[in-house]
Amino acid sequence: EAQVTQNPRYLITVTGKKLTVTCSQNMNHEYMSWYRQDPGLGLRQIYYSMNVEVTDKGDVPEGYKVSRKEKRNFPLILESPSPNQTSLYFCASSLPGLVYEQYFGPGTRLTVT
Amino acid sequence: SQKIEQNSEALNIQEGKTATLTCNYTNYSPAYLQWYRQDPGRGPVFLLLIRENEKEKRKERLKVTFDTTLKQSLFHITASQPADSATYLCALDEGSQGNLIFGKGTKLSVKP
Repeated sequence: EAQVTQNPRYLITVTGKKLTVTCSQNMNHEYMSWYRQDPGLGLRQIYYSMNVEVTDKGDVPEGYKVSRKEKRNFPLILESPSPNQTSLYFCASSLPGLVYEQYFGPGTRLTVT
Repeated sequence: SQKIEQNSEALNIQEGKTATLTCNYTNYSPAYLQWYRQDPGRGPVFLLLIRENEKEKRKERLKVTFDTTLKQSLFHITASQPADSATYLCALDEGSQGNLIFGKGTKLSVKP
């Protein structure tokens, strides 16, 4: 089954404790992206990757890192999480080109205390 | 930078009626505009994409229009059903071919 998976689905952590949210897709998509979704602010892009070893900042990249060492995986790294990073995070993937029909993962709900 | 506005936070309609949702953008016309559906606690699901040179696109009971003069896209659901109740998001490419921005969404409720 074609899908985007994220792990963990739920995470509660403390300020400053480094964490990684994994994202994997099995559709051989070149484009992958991370979003955060907050009430009243909608879905905002954090980072995106057009292909392996190619990453770019979205609208809200501060406090996040990503890497794209292989096509199927695009982990999101929070080196020193803070409470303002408490949010619902989505990973997405799509084929490149102008047609960015994105397939989204199920989401990771992160709480930073 | 480009901004997207979905005028209504919420829209309530009666089953069987046509729902019309609006998406406005502020600056240059994007090469295309997308519409997604999102159910509570789940990731958005792609519905339709319309290109700047297309005025209208249809898929079953869904219709999307794109007016580059008005800088607006309209999303219609005809013969609406309670199962259509969800939040609908529009999205466009900021210009960097990958930097996508989303509207805040319109929550549609279809009453039986």
